[in-house]
Amino acid sequence: EAGVTQSPTHLIKTRGQQATLRCSPISGHTSVYWYQQALGLGLQFLLWYDEGEERNRGNFPPRFSGRQFPNYSSELNVNALELEDSALYLCASSGLPLSGPQHFGDGTRLSIL
Amino acid sequence: RKEVEQDPGPFNVPEGATVAFNCTYSNSASQSFFWYRQDCRKEPKLLMSVYSSGNEDGRFTAQLNRASQYISLLIRDSKLSDSATYLCVVKSGGSNYKLTFGKGTLLTVNP
Repeated sequence: EAGVTQSPTHLIKTRGQQATLRCSPISGHTSVYWYQQALGLGLQFLLWYDEGEERNRGNFPPRFSGRQFPNYSSELNVNALELEDSALYLCASSGLPLSGPQHFGDGTRLSIL
Repeated sequence: RKEVEQDPGPFNVPEGATVAFNCTYSNSASQSFFWYRQDCRKEPKLLMSVYSSGNEDGRFTAQLNRASQYISLLIRDSKLSDSATYLCVVKSGGSNYKLTFGKGTLLTVNP
């Protein structure tokens, strides 16, 4: 069974640009979660999608947004990139949105120059 | 008080040692608890869920104390391959639930 897949593996952008990160959940999983792991800050919850809708978001500005497609894959969009957005962005999926563990992808490392 | 706090690391132990990590959480309504393991520059992977009665998986034992709002992870007979960052994770929020991760504790097991 394929795990959670994310693309691209690395993404290099400059300040002010926009970045799009993609995630495909484990087959059969309907919930997708996005996290930011910045140096020294640990994993920070960004967004949760389930059945195509945004269910919850963490303490991030509106320039962090996303969506979930009918096939349950998801995109994370970050607009007006800032230097402090440099981080590893992890996507996770779970089969049951209110219970059960989350399974993580390998992440996309976003570097802002 | 931070939502989830873990022992400050790093922990350096010899092979075969027993090591324990503690984690405290601030939200008394938290519902579920997990330990994740994250190897350097890799994604977090679920190590074990933590149940009220405590649970064991081989060399790993997890315990939950709801009254004091802390969870623990005990690793017995540590192996070199146990070297990783261990993340304490708390689920809360009801229908708008989210997982909150601790910053993690780095464990290095030395030969």
